[in-house]
Amino acid sequence: EAGVAQSPRYKIIEKRQSVAFWCNPISGHATLYWYQQILGQGPKLLIQFQNNGVVDDSQLPKDRFSAERLKGVDSTLKIQPAKLEDSAVYLCASSLEPSGYNEQFFGPGTRLTVL
Amino acid sequence: AQSVTQLGSHVSVSEGALVLLRCNYSSSVPPYLFWYVQYPNQGLQLLLKYTTGATLVKGINGFEAEFKKSETSFHLTKPSAHMSDAAEYFCAVTHGNQFYFGTGTSLTVIP
Repeated sequence: EAGVAQSPRYKIIEKRQSVAFWCNPISGHATLYWYQQILGQGPKLLIQFQNNGVVDDSQLPKDRFSAERLKGVDSTLKIQPAKLEDSAVYLCASSLEPSGYNEQFFGPGTRLTVL
Repeated sequence: AQSVTQLGSHVSVSEGALVLLRCNYSSSVPPYLFWYVQYPNQGLQLLLKYTTGATLVKGINGFEAEFKKSETSFHLTKPSAHMSDAAEYFCAVTHGNQFYFGTGTSLTVIP
């Protein structure tokens, strides 16, 4: 079974530029999550999708971050414009259902450096 | 509100020694609890989880954790550390459908 795929693995940009990350979840997983993991911290949920609908985006900085999952499969997270404090690893995860006891499967992450 | 506290951001053990990584949680409802491991430049991988039933949970790679409601703890243990156990470990609690992760504990195994 293929795991969660993410690209790119690494990205370096200058502040005020824009950047996009892509995630393809495990086939058949209805729920998709984007996390931000700042160095030395645990992952923080940015947004959760159930199929192509948003379940929770309460911690997404909507003035600069956006995400979509148009066909209920793969997803894109965008930052525009980027700030220095956006430097982090962006993790995508998926699960069969949104239930709290279901395991989330994580991708390898995209490491973003904002200069 | 849900939260997770991992005591000790860095833990060092000798190879073959007991591994003990501490996790305390706060939850207004019976929690679901998880331990994930993260190897360098990789995503998180589930070690074990507690949902209901037996409070001693066994996971992969010889790890286990015990849910102690009275102590609001879910500490992770392994009887004998191996060099390959060196990684970052995260405890997590769920509230509804959302995961709350601790800040992580970096485990170093000394040969």
